[in-house]
Amino acid sequence: NAGVTQTPKFRILKIGQSMTLQCAQDMNHNYMYWYRQDPGMGLKLIYYSVGAGITDKGEVPNGYNVSRSTTEDFPLRLELAAPSQTSVYFCASSSGTGLRETQYFGPGTRLLVL
Amino acid sequence: QKEVEQNSGPLSVPEGAIASLNCTYSDRGSQSFFWYRQYSGKSPELIMFIYSNGDKEDGRFTAQLNKASQYVSLLIRDSQPSDSATYLCAVNSGYSTLTFGKGTMLLVSP
Repeated sequence: NAGVTQTPKFRILKIGQSMTLQCAQDMNHNYMYWYRQDPGMGLKLIYYSVGAGITDKGEVPNGYNVSRSTTEDFPLRLELAAPSQTSVYFCASSSGTGLRETQYFGPGTRLLVL
Repeated sequence: QKEVEQNSGPLSVPEGAIASLNCTYSDRGSQSFFWYRQYSGKSPELIMFIYSNGDKEDGRFTAQLNKASQYVSLLIRDSQPSDSATYLCAVNSGYSTLTFGKGTMLLVSP
């Protein structure tokens, strides 16, 4: 199993450009998450999904959009990139919401908006 | 607003010592608690979780939970330089999401 994969690893965007960060998991997990992590900060939840066709906002959703058409994939769309979106983006997945359920993280995408 | 607080550190300990990492949380309804380790430039990886009051041991790691005080800690015995990383405390409040603290940087010197 590859686990959670993310592409690209690194990207430079110009202000106003758009892009999609890809995330895929092969663990048949229903729950998927997008986080951003700024230097010296913890993880902030952007969006999450509890299954195909179901998404919900997290703590910092502004400037982002998501879709979940399959169990495996959960892309994150940035529209009109801004310097404030410079960050490291992590995708994660888990199998459920039980007390023991663990989130497994992808390797991250480092995004620089200039 | 659910909050998870951690001392940002760095916490410096000599090799072989016990490192003690602490975390407090604001939501009394929180049910389970996770410790993740994050090496510089890498993604978080789970060390252990706990959901019952008391201690839970896994190798050199011990998680301690006190729900009355809204406090969870992670002890690392016989600390090694390879333990140098940022340790993130995360709290599951019964919904589908985790709330993360900002993390504590641990430095273990040889």
